[in-house]
Amino acid sequence: ILNVEQSPQSLHVQEGDSTNFTCSFPSSNFYALHWYRWETAKSPEALFVMTLNGDEKKKGRISATLNTKEGYSYLYIKGSQPEDSATYLCAYTGRSNDYKLSFGAGTTVTVRA
Amino acid sequence: DVKVTQSSRYLVKRTGEKVFLECVQDMDHENMFWYRQDPGLGLRLIYFSYDVKMKEKGDIPEGYSVSREKKERFSLILESASTNQTSMYLCASSLTGGWQPQHFGDGTRLSIL
Repeated sequence: ILNVEQSPQSLHVQEGDSTNFTCSFPSSNFYALHWYRWETAKSPEALFVMTLNGDEKKKGRISATLNTKEGYSYLYIKGSQPEDSATYLCAYTGRSNDYKLSFGAGTTVTVRA
Repeated sequence: DVKVTQSSRYLVKRTGEKVFLECVQDMDHENMFWYRQDPGLGLRLIYFSYDVKMKEKGDIPEGYSVSREKKERFSLILESASTNQTSMYLCASSLTGGWQPQHFGDGTRLSIL
């Protein structure tokens, strides 16, 4: 089981503030890094899949960066809104097993109005 | 939109029962996955399948088996349910390739009494 760590475990953000959090993963044998958003009572939803070092992806107010050499990815939320409240999961897959994802435990974001 | 449907949202069973969790996807995806999610842990892969009648063990296959007789359906079987199998179970599907996002069902919260 590969070691994928997310920090912090949870955070509270005031509406309108921006925030970011981290996913760290093994830097060797990298293939792809996934981000998912999991809202309460819904299914996890894919946000981004990144494959190249230096990749930056953006979807509305949410963006992500990737550093495969040092093994980390940041997810940013700009101008947080209550609908951004969710658990954000990252998942890593290496070259030797490109179907299987190893998930982190998630960062739970609560946006206060 | 991809639709992944799990047969039950909530299920209560007794210790020793044989339990079937069903998952159906409607997008002709080759790959299907079963995960369980427990507090403080990431999604952990139980089994996956990359083709009809093909299956591979994930990280925690003990006490489980799977069946994939048709491309759209992937069943998880708890051979003799035990209390430590009380958990949230998530099914997912994807196209082939580690860069393909996984599409998840809403999950089944299973309680074994």
